[in-house]
Amino acid sequence: AQSVAQPEDQVNVAEGNPLTVKCTYSVSGNPYLFWYVQYPNRGLQFLLKYITGDNLVKGSYGFEAEFNKSQTSFPLKKPSALVSDSALYFCAVRDGNSNSGYALNFGKGTSLLVTP
Amino acid sequence: SAVISQKPSRDICQRGTSLTIQCQVDSQVTMMFWYRQQPGQSLTLIATANQGSEATYESGFVIDKFPISRPNLTFSTLTVSNMSPEDSSIYLCSAAQANNEQFFGPGTRLTVL
Repeated sequence: AQSVAQPEDQVNVAEGNPLTVKCTYSVSGNPYLFWYVQYPNRGLQFLLKYITGDNLVKGSYGFEAEFNKSQTSFPLKKPSALVSDSALYFCAVRDGNSNSGYALNFGKGTSLLVTP
Repeated sequence: SAVISQKPSRDICQRGTSLTIQCQVDSQVTMMFWYRQQPGQSLTLIATANQGSEATYESGFVIDKFPISRPNLTFSTLTVSNMSPEDSSIYLCSAAQANNEQFFGPGTRLTVL
């Protein structure tokens, strides 16, 4: 079984400050981890992924995430938040063992609000 | 990255009717999926659309209620049958090559009266 936990329903941050959106995962095999963003009345947009290699991955719009195997975490970060970053963020995981299928398990989402 | 389109983008339907949602990908992909996002909720996988064979459904979803077709590598349909207000959701199509990220369509917002 695989699952994702996003413990924060909402994160508030002032523009220009760093932001972090938390994510922890549970998977029996190798974790393939993803972050997506959803703007109001829009579909999901891919931000970044961790499959293998460097634990720090960089993605779109200046976002990055750090894979931490010992803590089973994959928090999303950005050094300086923009008002336009305000959206709903989803962490997702799947088991890298191909026998487990390719579908994603999503967290419940975290609403990010960046204030001017 | 793949560009995915869905039709219709939204619809308001009467109880007991059925709606077919179309998903078109601009390139051949290995995997296609259908998700449901109920109001204020996360995404729940309905099924994996298999090219040329029956879809693989997740627990709680059945073919009679959500028949799916995938006649080729770039197109799939999801039908929501005998609709009730509880089926009001956003339905999202996604596509991926094996071991790569999934790309999502813009979604179909369904309201059932």
